[in-house]
Amino acid sequence: ETGVTQTPRHLVMGMTNKKSLKCEQHLGHNAMYWYKQSAKKPLELMFVYSLEERVENNSVPSRFSPECPNSSHLFLHLHTLQPEDSALYLCASSQSHRSNSPLHFGNGTRLTVT
Amino acid sequence: GENVEQHPSTLSVQEGDSAVIKCTYSDSASNYFPWYKQELGKRPQLIIDIRSNVGEKKDQRIAVTLNKTAKHFSLHITETQPEDSAVYFCAAYPLQGAQKLVFGQGTRLTINP
Repeated sequence: ETGVTQTPRHLVMGMTNKKSLKCEQHLGHNAMYWYKQSAKKPLELMFVYSLEERVENNSVPSRFSPECPNSSHLFLHLHTLQPEDSALYLCASSQSHRSNSPLHFGNGTRLTVT
Repeated sequence: GENVEQHPSTLSVQEGDSAVIKCTYSDSASNYFPWYKQELGKRPQLIIDIRSNVGEKKDQRIAVTLNKTAKHFSLHITETQPEDSAVYFCAAYPLQGAQKLVFGQGTRLTINP
């Protein structure tokens, strides 16, 4: 049990599809994050939510749409993606988005856009 | 904003030898420096962290050192074992600006038996 669960583990989608990634944390944390991990690049922060309110949007294209219905769940809605969006998408949580508290990551969703 | 540089990008050592990974940061106000380990196909996991009021921290075979003057911090792994093979990421947390963790590019460490 990782504390942060992501589904699906793998996703293949066409450029015209619409899909959603799901993340759930069982740690009682108040902040949740979406990161993108591409080959040979640092982890890229996409979105930060604190108590269901978005506090950071890192110039992410609008084809990525986050949703945080409560402090335990986070979604990333995908539509009309490009092949360069293929990557590992990691969800994470922490006690607070303001404090320098450790991040707890999920296992990620490996996304392939064809 | 904060910028973190990590070196080397790949590192290969013999089992039992030590491994050192170095990171530099640009924002002198950064005060928290974690290290994450990511094994192949798995999630990043925090292995050790250090705060700016401490110069060194150890946990069994791993240690982290921080030089605030030079703005660099390093991960030291002694008596390396095959299970230490992974990608290691450093990060820095700036007190000012966006206040979000900034990660280094990662180091792929391979332990040769």
